[in-house]
Amino acid sequence: ETGVTQTPRHLVMGMTNKKSLKCEQHLGHNAMYWYKQSAKKPLELMFVYNFKEQTENNSVPSRFSPECPNSSHLFLHLHTLQPEDSALYLCASSTPGGSYEKLFFGSGTQLSVL
Amino acid sequence: QKEVEQDPGPLSVPEGAIVSLNCTYSNSAFQYFMWYRQYSRKGPELLMYTYSSGNKEDGRFTAQVDKSSKYISLFIRDSQPSDSATYLCAMSGDNAGNMLTFGGGTRLMVKP
Repeated sequence: ETGVTQTPRHLVMGMTNKKSLKCEQHLGHNAMYWYKQSAKKPLELMFVYNFKEQTENNSVPSRFSPECPNSSHLFLHLHTLQPEDSALYLCASSTPGGSYEKLFFGSGTQLSVL
Repeated sequence: QKEVEQDPGPLSVPEGAIVSLNCTYSNSAFQYFMWYRQYSRKGPELLMYTYSSGNKEDGRFTAQVDKSSKYISLFIRDSQPSDSATYLCAMSGDNAGNMLTFGGGTRLMVKP
């Protein structure tokens, strides 16, 4: 257990559904991240929050909507997704301010869009 | 050209072999170099990190960075079946808050 918990582990949704992914970290970190991992592609950074403020939005389509109510919780709200959005969505946390980011990842949510 | 290149494998070796995993990169501003290990159905976990050029050893694992060639390596000695996983290289620049750039990962299989 890395201290970063993601739910659900698996999610199947239709293109017209609305669902949310949840992430919780118990490490006392102040930065939280959403990454997308597709088969045979590098991890793609989607969003970064530092002290609850969004500091990065990596040109992510508006059908993905993040929410960070506090430094320990992060959500990713999903609506009208496309089949190409099927992927493993990983949450991570870190302590910001250093010259590199030592990330702690959750186990991810495996998303399938039908 | 991708910023970080990594052979996807799979790389299959017998137990006890020495494994060499590699990444090349194009951005000369990268100063921090990391290796993450990702088991099936799990998130990546940080395995090794190095700053600038040189070697770093931790048990059976050795990380090497050659900035002149823009080439990094991870060596695993006496490989075990439990080392079977996908290995991701990652790197970032020297400025605070620089985000990591990941390679696509190499899948390693160590057979008993």
